[in-house]
Amino acid sequence: EPEVTQTPSHQVTQMGQEVILRCVPISNHLYFYWYRQILGQKVEFLVSFYNNEISEKSEIFDDQFSVERPDGSNFTLKIRSTKLEDSAMYFCASIRDPSNQPQHFGDGTRLSIL
Amino acid sequence: QKEVEQNSGPLSVPEGAIASLNCTYSDRGSQSFFWYRQYSGKSPELIMSIYSNGDKEDGRFTAQLNKASQYVSLLIRDSQPSDSATYLCAVNYSGNTGKLIFGQGTTLQVKP
Repeated sequence: EPEVTQTPSHQVTQMGQEVILRCVPISNHLYFYWYRQILGQKVEFLVSFYNNEISEKSEIFDDQFSVERPDGSNFTLKIRSTKLEDSAMYFCASIRDPSNQPQHFGDGTRLSIL
Repeated sequence: QKEVEQNSGPLSVPEGAIASLNCTYSDRGSQSFFWYRQYSGKSPELIMSIYSNGDKEDGRFTAQLNKASQYVSLLIRDSQPSDSATYLCAVNYSGNTGKLIFGQGTTLQVKP
């Protein structure tokens, strides 16, 4: 069964540095998402992306965050200047039709900001 | 503020028993409802999806949806120690974007 793949599995970065998290969604999916989960807390929606543009974003997704689909397969999340509070698990998800299908999640990237 | 509420638990049941997990949501416009299982340090894994009122069964799992009461539940029959995990309720409030709002999760412990 096709899977959403994320790289790297663990990223350690100094505070203030830029970080790019990568995702390869399932190939025929059209809608892409990033979520994050701070340790011990709930999974939180960050952003949804469709037709090469952001379709919805949360309050968390401020100017420090950006997403991009640079080619036909990758979907990236960039954090421009990382803060300690950005330390979390980041999950990518994708779906073909959000009205009647569940989202499938990648294994996640654990981001640790030092 | 759209909310999804779950009892964080832990819910402890003996092996072979039925585990009942509950979730309420705040917005009547909600369209799709999902149960995910999450082991510690892992990503959410889809267990069940439900889109209309009533029951939906898949193996040992039954999801129940009551839109009038804004309530969705998950029953796990013949619980096994391998079912011990955190169960996340997720609600799709917007059919257009598919954004999911998650509850905080209920930790289930199945004791041998």
